[in-house]
Formats: sequence, C-alpha cells, structure tokens
Amino acid sequence: DAMVIQNPRYQVTQFGKPVTLSCSQTLNHNVMYWYQQKSSQAPKLLFHYYDKDFNNEADTPDNFQSRRPNTSFCFLDIRSPGLGDAAMYLCATSLYRGVGQPQHFGDGTRLSIL
Amino acid sequence: ILNVEQSPQSLHVQEGDSTNFTCSFPSSNFYALHWYRWETAKSPEALFVMTLNGDEKKKGRISATLNTKEGYSYLYIKGSQPEDSATYLCALDYGQNFVFGPGTRLSVLP
Repeated sequence: DAMVIQNPRYQVTQFGKPVTLSCSQTLNHNVMYWYQQKSSQAPKLLFHYYDKDFNNEADTPDNFQSRRPNTSFCFLDIRSPGLGDAAMYLCATSLYRGVGQPQHFGDGTRLSIL
Repeated sequence: ILNVEQSPQSLHVQEGDSTNFTCSFPSSNFYALHWYRWETAKSPEALFVMTLNGDEKKKGRISATLNTKEGYSYLYIKGSQPEDSATYLCALDYGQNFVFGPGTRLSVLP
C-alpha cells in the first residue's frame, strides 16, 4: 500500500547532539510537511516542501533544518537539540498545496532528549 | 495565524453512547476545515473535508457539520464503540498550510 513512512518511531539523543529524522513516501505527492507536536498541544507546522521549493514558517527556530533530496524522501535535522525540542514529529504529504487537499500522515517519530 | 480551539480536551463515554465535540475558530477566512482521527501508535487519518457554511458530512456512525458564521464545527459519533477511541483533530486549511487544534481525546469504555 502507498504510504508515508517515518523512521525511527522512537529516537533518543543527547542535549546538543545533532539528530536527523527521516520520512519517505510512496504516494508520489508533490508536497511534504514536517510538524512538531508537544504533549496535549496542536501539531505545529515547522516547514514544508512544494517539490523542491522550501517554505519555512516564520516562527520555526533556526535550529531546525530540512532536506528533500528527491520526491520520495524528506529529512528533519535538529542541529543542537535542547530539552524543549522533545516532542512528536509528524511528517505529512499532499498531492498539491491546494484547497481541500487532505494531508496523509506517517506514524510519527517521538524524540526524547537526555 | 488564529488559534483553533477544541472542546472538551478529553472525555470518557460508555460503549453505545452517542457523543459530540466542538472545533471553534474566531474567524472564517480559511478555505476548508478538516477532521482527522488519530489512534494511539498510528498515523492521523483523514475523516472529512468541509468547505461551505452548512456543510454536513457523514461516514458510517460519524458525522460533522460546519457553521462558518458562528465559528464552529461539530463532530458527532452515534453509538460509540471501543474502536472509536482516539484523538480527534480539526484543522483549518489556508491553502499553503494547515492550522490544527489541540484535539479531543475520546475514550470509549466497554
């Protein structure tokens, strides 16, 4: 089945140690999104790619970077994780960035910071 | 970007009870409203997309309505089952991005 796959499901890293989260999709969708969700809060959009065009949200910290080397893969890099970056990170895709397009989500990566 | 609120934050119902919860927003300058169901350890699953004031959508025992004039959407579940236990998220669709609410966590007790 076509799907959005996130690896790993659980990631533990040390304070200040760079970490990369991975997302892949077999849907051949043009748009890939990264969200951060902290406990009991709304998922918050960090950035998205429309094809190769990167779109950063205004309040996304510089500590968060993203790469999309091809249509199928998108990575979230956290350069120097702080304790406040512990969260669930969700990847999503949509065919277009148009009105009413549903987003298709992966299972998420739960990041813990020691 | 506006705050999207959902209430209640969580609720517990008995199997067979019907229930509903609310997504509210202070302004209706969005293109569409989406509802998602997010079961533990799984990915959020799209339920409905609604675009027009007065829209009503139904899928089995679950239905949703949208009132853009008064700034809310309701999600109804008729005859709740344990498999309905999940967090229900609403999201406002601004075209380029979604703004999510914090969700309502539903637990259906057998």
